[in-house]
Amino acid sequence: GEDVEQSLFLSVREGDSSVINCTYTDSSSTYLYWYKQEPGAGLQLLTYIFSNMDMKQDQRLTVLLNKKDKHLSLRIADTQTGDSAIYFCAESISGRNGGSQGNLIFGKGTKLSVKP
Amino acid sequence: NAGVTQTPKFQVLKTGQSMTLQCAQDMNHNSMYWYRQDPGMGLRLIYYSASEGTTDKGEVPNGYNVSRLNKREFSLRLESAAPSQTSVYFCASSPDRGRGAFFGQGTRLTVV
Repeated sequence: GEDVEQSLFLSVREGDSSVINCTYTDSSSTYLYWYKQEPGAGLQLLTYIFSNMDMKQDQRLTVLLNKKDKHLSLRIADTQTGDSAIYFCAESISGRNGGSQGNLIFGKGTKLSVKP
Repeated sequence: NAGVTQTPKFQVLKTGQSMTLQCAQDMNHNSMYWYRQDPGMGLRLIYYSASEGTTDKGEVPNGYNVSRLNKREFSLRLESAAPSQTSVYFCASSPDRGRGAFFGQGTRLTVV
């Protein structure tokens, strides 16, 4: 079955780079996502990458995809205390009815703590 | 632009009671989802709806029913609540595969 794995915790100092890693199992996944969840809030879509890409950069965020190893990472440059949150990796799998609908399978989330 | 709106935000039920969680989106999205989030378990899909009039089971559908009332609204019903259904419930919607899903703020449900 589909599975998405992430480490549960990461602690960094303010100003350092954070790297959150994720592995997935569904080789047919065409899109992979990173979501951010702050305490008491819903999930916010941060960025996504199409499976035929190796890298995507968006301001302080860099996503790297190694499709051969089914490994996805999110790098946050110049990490700030406001980046403290839980980060979820998710893969899009085909829906039962196919077509354009895709279900998201989430990892358990990585809690990022940023120390001043 | 409200996005995805869930009601209520908090609810306490007694075992055996029933209730319906409401969700509405104003983004004209085709697909809608219900997830539950439990500590250490991440998010697990309960039910989803690819379009108005269709619903399908997700990973953990037992004890729940859903209704896709129209394109905007997707409700989740607990017919006889159990303590194991204590969780945070999230509704989400997406336009098409590949563009990710947009989440509501969640409903925190406690069953005592």
